Amino acid sequence: DQQVKQNSPSLSVQEGRISILNCDYTNSMFDYFLWYKKYPAEGPTFLISISSIKDKNEDGRFTVFLNKSAKHLSLHIVPSQPGDSAVYFCAVVHITGNQFYFGTGTSLTVIP
Amino acid sequence: GAVVSQHPSWVICKSGTSVKIECRSLDFQATTMFWYRQFPKQSLMLMATSNEGSKATYEQGVEKDKFLINHASLTLSTLTVTSAHPEDSSFYICSAWGLNYGYTFGSGTRLTVV
Repeated sequence: DQQVKQNSPSLSVQEGRISILNCDYTNSMFDYFLWYKKYPAEGPTFLISISSIKDKNEDGRFTVFLNKSAKHLSLHIVPSQPGDSAVYFCAVVHITGNQFYFGTGTSLTVIP
Repeated sequence: GAVVSQHPSWVICKSGTSVKIECRSLDFQATTMFWYRQFPKQSLMLMATSNEGSKATYEQGVEKDKFLINHASLTLSTLTVTSAHPEDSSFYICSAWGLNYGYTFGSGTRLTVV
């Protein structure tokens, strides 16, 4: 069973508009959530995170929203820039259980 | 911030030989390290989780005798692909978990078996 899903494998957005990437997870015990950005042939780089005690965390153009009741996580990028084009992975963590799972990734293309 | 060094970044080897990939946490102690594999245009697939000083926990379908993982210290984990075959060609990535540092990824290793 997949612990975390990203149902949109790809997303195209016009430069300057908002990009919204979504992530759903299954286990309410997860207590820490992260987003990673990945370019081809490189390791993922950390983007932004949120703990389960919060529902929003903002860092510049990136905002992560957490809806615990819906077990849903989203990443908003605004305004989107061509350099944001990459694959974005969400990850969920159960810290005490030492469990860490990646979503399947969403390939974002920002069109100039 | 936390840095994880992974090397080599790319390696070409002959079929039947073994290849070792190293993953080091440079400025923190990694109690847990994870090894992932990525096939072209696919998600990262968790291969195994290793805790320092104990045997790695392998995901279903991953051959533990083929992918040997050693986590002998809090800063070093190694993945050895034994008797490599062309189907083992892939992109391998490690990540390290450290208290107060979270999860940090290595830069990946491109393995090509010819």
